[in-house]
Amino acid sequence: EPEVTQTPSHQVTQMGQEVILHCVPISNHLYFYWYRQILGQKVEFLVSFYNNEISEKSEIFDDQFSVERPDGSNFTLKIRSTKLEDSAMYFCASRDSVGTEAFFGQGTRLTVV
Amino acid sequence: SQQGEEDPQALSIQEGENATMNCSYKTSINNLQWYRQNSGRGLVHLILIRSNEREKHSGRLRVTLDTSKKSSSLLITASRAADTASYFCATASDTGRRALTFGSGTRLQVQP
Repeated sequence: EPEVTQTPSHQVTQMGQEVILHCVPISNHLYFYWYRQILGQKVEFLVSFYNNEISEKSEIFDDQFSVERPDGSNFTLKIRSTKLEDSAMYFCASRDSVGTEAFFGQGTRLTVV
Repeated sequence: SQQGEEDPQALSIQEGENATMNCSYKTSINNLQWYRQNSGRGLVHLILIRSNEREKHSGRLRVTLDTSKKSSSLLITASRAADTASYFCATASDTGRRALTFGSGTRLQVQP
């Protein structure tokens, strides 16, 4: 069964460092998303990506964040200068069209120290 | 309450019993989805119900949607210890944002 793959599963980084989280969405999907979940809290939307551009972003997704689809398969989330409060589980998701279920990856646990 | 709020926040039942979780939301939706999350793991899609549907079944799962009350319920019948997880409802708006808005979740503990 096709699945969304995220790497790494766990990333520890120093405050102020840049991190790139990697995702390989399901191959025939067109809509891509990043969400995050701070420990013990609800899953929060960060950004959606369609047709090689950001289609929507939340207030969390500030100038420190960027997304890229550098080739036909990868979808990355970059945090330029990490803060302690960026520590969270980051989930990538994809779906084939609007109105269908979103498939989530297993997540990357980011720990900023 | 915020968009996609579940209740109860926590539920503990015995194996074999049914578990019912409720979700309320505020805005108009295109669809509502339920996800399961085992501790520290990814989100597993369970079922999607569209705004023009009232009830949907999938195995031991039954989901209802009442758009007039802006609420949904997830029923897990004949629960098993393996059903122990957090369950989240997530709504997709019918206009504007198409991303999912998640609730706070219900932590279900099924005692063997």
